[in-house]
Order: sequence, then structure tokens, then C-alpha cells
Amino acid sequence: KAGVTQTPRYLIKTRGQQVTLSCSPISGHRSVSWYQQTPGQGLQFLFEYFSETQRNKGNFPGRFSGRQFSNSRSEMNVSTLELGDSALYLCASSLEPSGSYEQYFGPGTRLTVT
Amino acid sequence: QQQVKQSPQSLIVQKGGISIINCAYENTAFDYFPWYQQFPGKGPALLIAIRPDVSEKKEGRFTISFNKSAKQFSLHIMDSQPGDSATYFCAAGMNYGGSQGNLIFGKGTKLSVKP
Repeated sequence: KAGVTQTPRYLIKTRGQQVTLSCSPISGHRSVSWYQQTPGQGLQFLFEYFSETQRNKGNFPGRFSGRQFSNSRSEMNVSTLELGDSALYLCASSLEPSGSYEQYFGPGTRLTVT
Repeated sequence: QQQVKQSPQSLIVQKGGISIINCAYENTAFDYFPWYQQFPGKGPALLIAIRPDVSEKKEGRFTISFNKSAKQFSLHIMDSQPGDSATYFCAAGMNYGGSQGNLIFGKGTKLSVKP
């Protein structure tokens, strides 16, 4: 089975711009979670989607949003980019929310904001 | 209460030795404790996980020890190899309104195994 794929792998944006990142989960996985990884804060949960609905949200400003499509693919969007948004954005998929906590991560998208 | 504290921050072990990484949590609602391994430029990879109803789980050279009363769990890597050199993260999860997609991660331990 193919793993979690994320596109693009690298991205450079300017402050004030917006960005959209994409995630394709493992085939058959219906839940997608997003995390931000920085050297200072570590891995922090952004949000989780299941059946096109946001099930859970972390403590991030409203500039961070996401959505999930009927094929379980997910996108996250960051508007009005700030320098502090520079990070590795990771997507993780799991079989379903109930009964299985196992999350499998993609390689991430490295976002640099200048 | 949502934190997971991980130690040490970095660890150097000789080849063939035992690597031990510790984590502690406060929230007793956590009921899933995974360990992830991350190499530079890669996403975290699930290594091994445990539920609080067992005190130990072993998979190959990797063992999780879990102490429910102390709210602590640890990863032991037996016969450590240079290829094990990576950053290791502990995490904790719980069912929150049907969602289990929110893992709380420790800050990570950078392991270096010297040949």
C-alpha cells in the first residue's frame, strides 16, 4: 500500500500571502490529522477531519483552516502568512477515528515564510 | 495537564548498548501511548504503542514499559545500532468526543548510537 503523500514537499512564501497544502491518506483510511512541527514547539496538533467534517481542533488561530473531500483527501490553508508559520506541516491518516488510534505520517511539507 | 514530558533531550549510546527514553503525563484520560521515530527530512514513523491495560509490550528490539500509577512510560531499545540514530517522540492520545486524532507529543529525544 502506498503511504501518506503530501504535496508540495517544499514551499517558499512571502509574509501576507496564503498557502494551500495537500494530503492524500493511505488507501482506505478515512481520518486525516494535521500537525505543525517546529524546533521550538515540537509537534503540535492542528485539526482532524473525518467524513468531510472537522472532528477536533488544536489551539491555532483562525488563519489555519482545513477541509476534507469525499475521497478522504485533505487540504489545509494558511492565510496571511507570518514568519512564525515557517514549519514542517505533517499530515497523518488513520483507518477510522473510533477503535484505532494508529496514525501514519506523511513526509511533510516544509514551508518557509520570508 | 495536557503535556507529555520527555527526557532526556539527547542521548549517546554505544553500539550494542541499551537506549532508554522516558516520558511522563498528567492527564489520566490518556489511553493510548505510541512512540515514533523520525529521521531527518522524513515524517515520524510509528514504532510501537501501548494501552494502559498492559505494563509492557515488546516488538523486536523495542520495548515499552508502562507504569500507570506513576503515569510514566518508557522506550527501551535493546542492542542499539547506528541505524537507530534518529529522534524519538513519545505521545499520548485519548478519545475526545469520538475523535482520536489528537496526539500530544513529547519534545523528542535525539539518539546517537556510536559504532
